[in-house]
Amino acid sequence: GQQLNQSPQSMFIQEGEDVSMNCTSSSIFNTWLWYKQDPGEGPVLLIALYKAGELTSNGRLTAQFGITRKDSFLNISASIPSDVGIYFCAGQLSGNTGKLIFGQGTTLQVKP
Amino acid sequence: DGGITQSPKYLFRKEGQNVTLSCEQNLNHDAMYWYRQDPGQGLRLIYYSQIVNDFQKGDIAEGYSVSREKKESFPLTVTSAQKNPTAFYLCASSYRDRRYEQYFGPGTRLTVT
Repeated sequence: GQQLNQSPQSMFIQEGEDVSMNCTSSSIFNTWLWYKQDPGEGPVLLIALYKAGELTSNGRLTAQFGITRKDSFLNISASIPSDVGIYFCAGQLSGNTGKLIFGQGTTLQVKP
Repeated sequence: DGGITQSPKYLFRKEGQNVTLSCEQNLNHDAMYWYRQDPGQGLRLIYYSQIVNDFQKGDIAEGYSVSREKKESFPLTVTSAQKNPTAFYLCASSYRDRRYEQYFGPGTRLTVT
């Protein structure tokens, strides 16, 4: 089936550092979303992107919809301990009826 | 408070038994979804429903069944035909015209032994 390649798989950073992660695919997507999941909980929607080239911020988080429509990036600035969790990208394929495809997740750990 | 509830949080069953997972939402969302999450993996779609009394198979529907008799409720039955049922199950919902912005419940961890 269709796949999203999310990287890095995991990150261990110092509090205050900036973080970047991305998702890529060989397919074209109409929508990109970024979610955060705390252990044992459901994912929480962080940012939704609908247009190629779109850059959207939510507090210290910034996400971009790649111009080729095959990738997306999430940046977290000045990380804090509560940023710890798993970050998932999700995309909706061009022509698809509403199903989302999820990346494998990036596990972020922040050292105080 | 509006939200999505899933119960129970933890569920244990013996192999060969069917089990039903509950999902209820009071967000007035039209569409509802069931996903399965395995350790270190992304979410995989089991079933989804865009309106009452209608639902479609997702990517891994075999061994599962659903019903959508009410807008607020979308229960998932894990049948004995599901070969590897132990997993974390997540329910989500969305407005029909913003169906890609899916909001998730807290999940049910099912363990079958």
